[in-house]
Amino acid sequence: AQTVTQSQPEMSVQEAETVTLSCTYDTSESDYYLFWYKQPPSRQMILVIRQEAYKQQNATENRFSVNFQKAAKSFSLKISDSQLGDAAMYFCAYRSAKGDDKIIFGKGTRLHILP
Amino acid sequence: NAGVMQNPRHLVRRRGQEARLRCSPVKGHSHVYWYRQLPEEGLKFMVYLQKENIIDESGMPKERFSAEFPKEGPSILRIQQVVRGDSAAYFCASSRQRQMNTEAFFGQGTRLTVV
Repeated sequence: AQTVTQSQPEMSVQEAETVTLSCTYDTSESDYYLFWYKQPPSRQMILVIRQEAYKQQNATENRFSVNFQKAAKSFSLKISDSQLGDAAMYFCAYRSAKGDDKIIFGKGTRLHILP
Repeated sequence: NAGVMQNPRHLVRRRGQEARLRCSPVKGHSHVYWYRQLPEEGLKFMVYLQKENIIDESGMPKERFSAEFPKEGPSILRIQQVVRGDSAAYFCASSRQRQMNTEAFFGQGTRLTVV
């Protein structure tokens, strides 16, 4: 069974600085999708970034980028120029590409932005 | 363009009562997923439905929980004879089709409190 591990329950970063959130996963599959979701206090789950495992190039979305290391099964999220609105829970997630539709989430990292 | 609508946002039930959680997917989406989030945890998959069909209920507790997605109307997650351990946030997500690279849109969740 696939698992997703986020080893940092909480992190803090100064506004305008850069922070990296860690995520590792375990799977025997070679084709899958990885995601980072943001959950602010409103509880809305917002997709931040998505990575297809078959793509070697790391995904980027404005200030958000990932470091995808397939062999190491690592998928970290880097947030540049942190803003107060980035404060939220961040969940790393995995989805198989083989027909199993469920998304498997990590336990989350709570990110605090210090003004 | 309405997103996934869940209601109610908050639901309080006494032990032994029934809880009914509703989810209206994004217009045009025929795939619905239910997830449960316990405090300080990630989301855990419960059930995947298409119109009038349960596709995967591997995450559903064997007793007291049921889900439906009728031809007309919202998807319903029903919990009978609720217990304190059912207290959680329940999220619904929808997607247009069963393709792994299509995004699943999440609702804002229903927070169920059992007293």
